[in-house]
Amino acid sequence: EVHLVESGGGLVKPGGPLRLSCGASGFDFSGTWMSWVRQAPGKGLEWVGRIKTKTGTADYAGSVNGRFTISRDDSKNTLYLQMNSLKTEDTAVYYCTAEGSYCRSTSCYVYFVYWSQGTLVTVSS
Amino acid sequence: DLQMTQSPSSLSASVGDRVTFTCRASQSISNYLNWYQQKPGKAPKLLIYAASSLRSGVPSRFSGSGSGTDFTLTISSLQPEDFATYYCQQSYSTPVTFGGGTKVEIK
Repeated sequence: EVHLVESGGGLVKPGGPLRLSCGASGFDFSGTWMSWVRQAPGKGLEWVGRIKTKTGTADYAGSVNGRFTISRDDSKNTLYLQMNSLKTEDTAVYYCTAEGSYCRSTSCYVYFVYWSQGTLVTVSS
Repeated sequence: DLQMTQSPSSLSASVGDRVTFTCRASQSISNYLNWYQQKPGKAPKLLIYAASSLRSGVPSRFSGSGSGTDFTLTISSLQPEDFATYYCQQSYSTPVTFGGGTKVEIK
């Protein structure tokens, strides 16, 4: 059974840092692209960023680029989100997700197949 | 960034109704479109990927269609457990983007 278990959420002051962790089990973590998705209170879903396998290349949403860093430790089956220079608009529930893929002919389709329970990050003075 | 627009933003329906809602991309995304269901206080769940492929274990009353810029999600006979918010998401290009969601409420 797949489990994605987050930790590290909480209250932080504007400008401060916070690091989220997401422990994975039940699937091939080292072979899986991982993403962070967030949801501000009462709002829709927003992709934060993704880290690929092997090279560990990461991509980010424009709203967090330069402030957030995604990393992974495949030896610990753990995904991280380091958040710096936090703003009040970063207040949200943060989910870690495992990406699945389906390839047909020359096309490969990627989707968020497994999700964590979410952890609330509140940025407030 | 690719913009995803869902309509309507909410709808009221009864158990047993057939409901359809739409998702439109700001440019062609072929069939790189996924659908998710989210219930209050819970993480989203994948329903459909590649526009029309039903995830294993998802009831067959859910179906997706479309290609290019216009997509639909249909629930053939609404069940009590289907009252939730539904999001589309494009995986055609980075950054990944979601639609604003359609909330399905009980009439």
